[in-house]
Amino acid sequence: DIQMTQSPSSVSASVGDTVTIACRTSQDINNWLAWYQQRPGKAPRLLIYTASSLQSGVPSRFSGSGFGTDFSLTISSLQPEDFATYFCQQSHSFPYTFGQGTKLEI
Amino acid sequence: QLQLQESGPGLVKPSETLSLTCTVSGDSITTASNHWGWVRQPPGKGLEWIGSLYLRGRTFYNDSLKSRVTISVDTSKNQYSLTVTSVTAADTAVYYCAKQITNWFDPWGQGILVTVSS
Repeated sequence: DIQMTQSPSSVSASVGDTVTIACRTSQDINNWLAWYQQRPGKAPRLLIYTASSLQSGVPSRFSGSGFGTDFSLTISSLQPEDFATYFCQQSHSFPYTFGQGTKLEI
Repeated sequence: QLQLQESGPGLVKPSETLSLTCTVSGDSITTASNHWGWVRQPPGKGLEWIGSLYLRGRTFYNDSLKSRVTISVDTSKNQYSLTVTSVTAADTAVYYCAKQITNWFDPWGQGILVTVSS
């Protein structure tokens, strides 16, 4: 199985800040990586796919980058509704695997 | 607008079978380009892919669960289902169904908490 390592596990920030979350995979996955946002008590929501493509309806302050084994999610000009947990997911090969999550806190 | 809704018992006894249904509205479950998945999340933990249903009923499962999991489809009701046999406390989780677009999941159902306890 492809192992996913997110860092940091939690990060504190303020409204208006820019934060970057990293995701490293144990094998080269090309650009087969997605990012999800999960607010407390809610289902995950797709933000980014193929490492850098913005899902329809997602604000442009979210951006993704990376290729191979190292990826990142950047959220610029943080808004109150952005404080949530973020997960990366690889879909290069079965079984699909997720990172352990990064909690973005005020 | 596409919506998914999980349903089933919230409490299952150890060693018994967990059965959940995902009802799809706003799209046809049989559209050739549509795939469907199940993901679970133990309380306070991360996400685990369980399996996916592809065109013409092909299914793929996580090897960690493969011997106990079945995903099936009921096209007449526009639903698909998940069955997990011989459950233990480790199967306690929120179970999500989700549409799989290529290899990503969106949208997701609201999730259903299933507790395994006697």
